[in-house]
Amino acid sequence: AQTVTQSQPEMSVQEAETVTLSCTYDTSESDYYLFWYKQPPSRQMILVIRQEAYKQQNATENRFSVNFQKAAKSFSLKISDSQLGDAAMYFCAYLIPLGGATNKLIFGTGTLLAVQP
Amino acid sequence: DGGITQSPKYLFRKEGQNVTLSCEQNLNHDAMYWYRQDPGQGLRLIYYSQIVNDFQKGDIAEGYSVSREKKESFPLTVTSAQKNPTAFYLCASSKFPTGEVNQPQHFGDGTRLSIL
Repeated sequence: AQTVTQSQPEMSVQEAETVTLSCTYDTSESDYYLFWYKQPPSRQMILVIRQEAYKQQNATENRFSVNFQKAAKSFSLKISDSQLGDAAMYFCAYLIPLGGATNKLIFGTGTLLAVQP
Repeated sequence: DGGITQSPKYLFRKEGQNVTLSCEQNLNHDAMYWYRQDPGQGLRLIYYSQIVNDFQKGDIAEGYSVSREKKESFPLTVTSAQKNPTAFYLCASSKFPTGEVNQPQHFGDGTRLSIL
């Protein structure tokens, strides 16, 4: 069964510094998708970044980048130049295709990131 | 702007009462989903739907029901059979895969359901 583990319940970073959030997953599939979602206090789930397993290059979206280690089944998120607006709960998620248009996301338990001014 | 609208933002249920959570999307997405979020946990899938008049149970469907009469709408009913309904409920949608690439899910703002 696919599982997603986030071992850091809480993290803290100083404004303008860099922080890395950890995520590991378990799967027997060779082709899959991984995501990081951000959930601010407003509770909306916002897609931060995605990674296709068949791509060797790590995904990057502005200040957000991932370190995807397929053999180790590791998918960490790096936030550079942290801003106060980055404070949120961050969820790592693994996508399972269900057929046709549908897929299923398996979520980790989240990491609560605090940004100190 | 396109998006997913969930209503109401807060909802209270009395014992033995069914309540319905609304989810509407104008993204022209084909698939829609309902998730439940409990404190300290990630999201768990309740129901999902690929097309109109078709839907499937997710991991925790007991005590819930859905309908998909229109592509844009996917309401969730929390029935009296759901003994622990207090949670945050999120609706999501996604479009058909582009080629072989599965598309990410986009989420609404959620509904918080509490028991009176």
